Amino acid sequence: GENVEQHPSTLSVQEGDSAVIKCTYSDSASNYFPWYKQELGKGPQLIIDIRSNVGEKKDQRIAVTLNKTAKHFSLHITETQPEDSAVYFCAARGNEKLTFGTGTRLTIIP
Amino acid sequence: GAGVSQSPSNKVTEKGKDVELRCDPISGHTALYWYRQSLGQGLEFLIYFQGNSAPDKSGLPSDRFSAERTGESVSTLTIQRTQQEDSAVYLCASSRRTGGSSYEQYFGPGTRLTVT
Repeated sequence: GENVEQHPSTLSVQEGDSAVIKCTYSDSASNYFPWYKQELGKGPQLIIDIRSNVGEKKDQRIAVTLNKTAKHFSLHITETQPEDSAVYFCAARGNEKLTFGTGTRLTIIP
Repeated sequence: GAGVSQSPSNKVTEKGKDVELRCDPISGHTALYWYRQSLGQGLEFLIYFQGNSAPDKSGLPSDRFSAERTGESVSTLTIQRTQQEDSAVYLCASSRRTGGSSYEQYFGPGTRLTVT
């Protein structure tokens, strides 16, 4: 089955700086890669996703890149703000199911 | 519109008791998923329903766990003879369909289960 690894597990950045979270996946048949943001006491919220026929996607301060050959994808958050503090999960979809990474706790330092 | 809802939000139960968790998916969503999230961990897939097809139960950790869904509506996850290691947040998600381009899963707020 699919295996997703996510790094780093924790990340602290100064407000206004950029944050990058990286994931690798094992199943070359995976074709959909969402990113979720989870705030304390809440369920994960989809923030951006990318399909395997696209190399990059951007939505305001958030972007995701995908390298199918290397089987890795990354989340980039620019001009970070205090409300970006949360746990972020990557996932890869293969065989009708999502396999999640173990999460990155992002802390924005004011 | 209304999102995915789950009840109860919190459940404390004694070891050995049975518990039932409920999920109301977004209206019109044919696919429904259950996940388990242990403290500080990622999401562990439990079971997946798609329309009237047989569910994918490959993630259920033991035969104490079962789930049902009636048509494309409410689902219940049942844990029998609960153990302390069952303590976790149980999350439900739904999506419009899994074929084609509609893969997005929308999560509910979860049920925090504590087994004492």
